[in-house]
Amino acid sequence: QVQLQESGPGLVKPSQTLSLTCTVSGGSISSASEYCSWIRQPAGKGLEWIGRIYSSGDTNYNPSLWGRATISADTSKKQFSLKLSSVTAADTAVYYCARTHYGSGKLDVWGKGTTVTVSS
Amino acid sequence: DIQMTQSPSSLSASVGDRVTITCRASQSISNFLNWYQQKPGKAPRLLIYAASSLQSGVPSRFSGSGSGTDFTLTISSLQPEDFATYFCQQTYNTPYTFGQGTKLEIK
Repeated sequence: QVQLQESGPGLVKPSQTLSLTCTVSGGSISSASEYCSWIRQPAGKGLEWIGRIYSSGDTNYNPSLWGRATISADTSKKQFSLKLSSVTAADTAVYYCARTHYGSGKLDVWGKGTTVTVSS
Repeated sequence: DIQMTQSPSSLSASVGDRVTITCRASQSISNFLNWYQQKPGKAPRLLIYAASSLQSGVPSRFSGSGSGTDFTLTISSLQPEDFATYFCQQTYNTPYTFGQGTKLEIK
């Protein structure tokens, strides 16, 4: 059974770059039918789609992030990464990666999430 | 961006009740609508995809319907483990967007 696990620093200083990794275990994300998405959730608030990366390496991002997000993949390590530059307190949130299906876009396997706090 | 509006924002119900949550899209999204359940401190869990398809392993008391702009999630007979927050999500256009959530509480 495929599992995803997010990892990275829990505290990032304002204006710096947030860097997170999503590691896949118990299987893989099939390049034929699945891809990886990143989502975040500020404490007590709703969910925000950050972006996605296809097996081809093509990416899409939420324009609300003003070009600050970069998603990449290291398929040999079965890892996906998220970088978010020039962070502010508004980027404080729980960050999730999720397996996503082509077509429906359903997010059917989620990591447990990792909390990132932006503070000096 | 496509705006997703859920109603109600919160709901009190009792075990055994039938509950319906509504999600409305700001434009037609065909059937590109998914529903998730989230419990405190946990990641969301997929319940329904493509508006009405039940995700594997999800109890059959959960059902979804709708197309175009109006969608519903129905729980036919509430169980104690169903008290949680529910989110809809459109995957018709990027950026994919979520509803603000409906918190289902015990009456």
